[in-house]
Amino acid sequence: ETGVTQTPRHLVMGMTNKKSLKCEQHLGHNAMYWYKQSAKKPLELMFVYNFKEQTENNSVPSRFSPECPNSSHLFLHLHTLQPEDSALYLCASSHRQGPNSPLHFGNGTRLTVT
Amino acid sequence: DAKTTQPPSMDCAEGRAANLPCNHSTISGNEYVYWYRQIHSQGPQYIIHGLKNNETNEMASLIITEDRKSSTLILPHATLRDTAVYYCIVNNAGNMLTFGGGTRLMVKP
Repeated sequence: ETGVTQTPRHLVMGMTNKKSLKCEQHLGHNAMYWYKQSAKKPLELMFVYNFKEQTENNSVPSRFSPECPNSSHLFLHLHTLQPEDSALYLCASSHRQGPNSPLHFGNGTRLTVT
Repeated sequence: DAKTTQPPSMDCAEGRAANLPCNHSTISGNEYVYWYRQIHSQGPQYIIHGLKNNETNEMASLIITEDRKSSTLILPHATLRDTAVYYCIVNNAGNMLTFGGGTRLMVKP
C-alpha cells in the first residue's frame, strides 16, 4: 500500500471511447502528477498540479485532459486515443512541488487502446 | 534538470551489499539527488534523497561525493526482493523528475 490509489488497474478501450483514470492520495499532499510509461521507454512527465492549479503541461496532446477537483483527487480524461497511447499511466503525489519533497507513486493503470 | 548516467545492469549476491553508482557531473547547487526503484508491474518506489551530506534510512544509504558529481546507493544486505530497476535522478525546484533508463539490479541466490 503506497498511499496513492489508482483505478482501474487495467483498462481496454477502443479509439472512439471516452474513459477516465482516477487517482486518490491519502497522504495529505498538495501536489499531484501524471506520468506515462511506454514499453522500453523512460517515464515521461505529463501534468503537474500544485494546490489544485495546473503548473505543468509537458506538451501533452489534447486527447488527454486532466482534472484536479481537490488536493486528494486527480483524474485523467481520455478520448479518441490512438494505439500508440497504450502504456502504464502512473499517478504520484508529493507534499508540495519542490526539490526536497519525494514523490509517492501509485501502481498505475495499464491502458490498452485497440 | 541535470542528466544522470547509470550502468544498465548489475548483479549482486543475496546477503551482500549492493552498490549502485550514478554520475551527475552537471548537477547544480540547488539540485537534490534522488533514488527510486521500480519492481515489475508496480509504480516507482521512493528510496532516499540528499543534497550534500550522506544519508541513511531503513532502506538504504546514499553516499554523495564532495564535489557532488557522483553518488552511490548502498543496499547493505540485498535480498531477492530487491531485484528491480533503480533510478538515480537529480531534482530541481520544479520537482518534475526526469527518469532515465536506470540500473537493472538482479539479486541472485
